[in-house]
Amino acid sequence: DAGVIQSPRHEVTEMGQEVTLRCKPISGHDYLFWYRQTMMRGLELLIYFNNNVPIDDSGMPEDRFSAKMPNASFSTLKIQPSEPRDSAVYFCASRRTGEDEQFFGPGTRLTVL
Amino acid sequence: QKEVEQNSGPLSVPEGAIASLNCTYSDRGSQSFFWYRQYSGKSPELIMFIYSNGDKEDGRFTAQLNKASQYVSLLIRDSQPSDSATYLCAVNMGDSNYQLIWGAGTKLIIKP
Repeated sequence: DAGVIQSPRHEVTEMGQEVTLRCKPISGHDYLFWYRQTMMRGLELLIYFNNNVPIDDSGMPEDRFSAKMPNASFSTLKIQPSEPRDSAVYFCASRRTGEDEQFFGPGTRLTVL
Repeated sequence: QKEVEQNSGPLSVPEGAIASLNCTYSDRGSQSFFWYRQYSGKSPELIMFIYSNGDKEDGRFTAQLNKASQYVSLLIRDSQPSDSATYLCAVNMGDSNYQLIWGAGTKLIIKP
C-alpha cells in the first residue's frame, strides 16, 4: 500500500489567499484525521471523519477553516482567507475500525506570508 | 480538561545507555497509550502501544504503565544515535470515538 498521501508537500502563499490541502487515506481505512503541528502548540487535532462523516470539528480554530470528505478516498482542508498564524505543518492520518494505529501522511508545510 | 504532559527536553543520553521517557495523563479512565517517534521534518510513526491491562516489550523498547500515578513510560535499551528524535505520547481517554490526546513530545538526543 502507498500509505497516506498528501498534497502539496509544501505551500507558500500570501495572506488573504485561499489554501486547499488534500489527503488520500489508506484504502480500507474508515477514519480520517486532520492535525496541525507547530513548535508552540505541538500536534493538534483539527477534525476527524468516520465513514466520510465529520464526527468532531471542535479543534477547527475558526470559521476560516473547513474540511470535507466527499468519498472514502479523498479529503480536503481549506483555509480561506489564510493568515500568517496559520503557518504550520498539516498532517492527515487514517485508521481502520478495530485497529489502534493511526498512520500519518508526510504532511504539508504551509507558509503564509 | 483532558491533558497529556511530557517534558519537552532535550533529554541527552550516552550511546548504549537506557533512555527513559515519561508521560502523565489526566483521565483515570484512559484505556490505551501510544508512543510515536518523529524525526525532524518527518511525520510521526508508531513505535508501540499498550492497553491499561499491562506492559509490553518489543526488542529494545519497553512501554510501562503506572495506573496509580497516571503515567506511562517508554524505555529504550542500548540507545543508538538513530534513536535521536522527538517522542510523542498519545492517550485514548476512554471515549467511544477513539480520539487521541497528544503530548507535546520529548526531544531525545543520543550522544555517540
